[in-house]
Amino acid sequence: AQKITQTQPGMFVQEKEAVTLDCTYDTSDPSYGLFWYKQPSSGEMIFLIYQGSYDQQNATEGRYSLNFQKARKSANLVISASQLGDSAMYFCAMREVNFNKFYFGSGTKLNVKP
Amino acid sequence: ETGVTQTPRHLVMGMTNKKSLKCEQHLGHNAMYWYKQSAKKPLELMFVYSLEERVENNSVPSRFSPECPNSSHLFLHLHTLQPEDSALYLCASSQDQEDNLGGGYSPLHFGNGTRLTVT
Repeated sequence: AQKITQTQPGMFVQEKEAVTLDCTYDTSDPSYGLFWYKQPSSGEMIFLIYQGSYDQQNATEGRYSLNFQKARKSANLVISASQLGDSAMYFCAMREVNFNKFYFGSGTKLNVKP
Repeated sequence: ETGVTQTPRHLVMGMTNKKSLKCEQHLGHNAMYWYKQSAKKPLELMFVYSLEERVENNSVPSRFSPECPNSSHLFLHLHTLQPEDSALYLCASSQDQEDNLGGGYSPLHFGNGTRLTVT
C-alpha cells in the first residue's frame, strides 16, 4: 500500500484565493511526522510546514496551514491568499519511527492564475 | 552559507564517463540522503547515511556508488551510466533523533539538486 497519496495531479487557483491540497497517509505507528514541501520549476525542495502526530493543534506557518485529521489520516495543506509565486509542485511527506525513512507522495502541481 | 550545497548544478556525461556529485551540509545534521527524481515519477530514495554509516540502500544499481567521509559531506560516484539515469539528483540532510517527547521529527533539508543528463 502507498504510504502517501496525493490524488490531485494538478490544480488551478485564482490569485488571492485560498486553495487546499489533499494528502492522505498510511501508517500503523502511533508516532510520526508529516511534512509539506514546495518545488518550484528551478528544482529545489523547500520545506514549508510540519505536523507531529501528537500535536493537538493544526500547524500554521504564515500563509500555510495544515489541516490535520488524525482519524481520517489526512494532512491537507491550505494556502491562503494565493500568490503567483506559489505556482509549483507540492509534495506531502511522512516520517515514521524508523527515523531514516521519509515517504513522499507523487505531488500536486499548483498553478496560480492572475 | 546555504544549508545544503550541491555541485555541480548541471552535468552532462557520456555512458563511459566517470563523474561524482558532491553534497555539503552546514546544518550540523547527522544524517544525509540521496534522492533521484525522474520526470513524472515520485522521489526515489537511493541511499541514507546516519552517523556516517550507510543505513539504507534501496536496490540501487552498482553504477551508483555513495561515499560519506564525514557527517557534513556526501558524494555520489557515477560510472557507466545509462540514458535512463538522466534525472534530478537531490541531496538532503536531517537530524536523526526525536526533537521532543511529543514525537517531533526534524524535516529533510534539500540542496538545489544536480540535473544529470546521460548521453
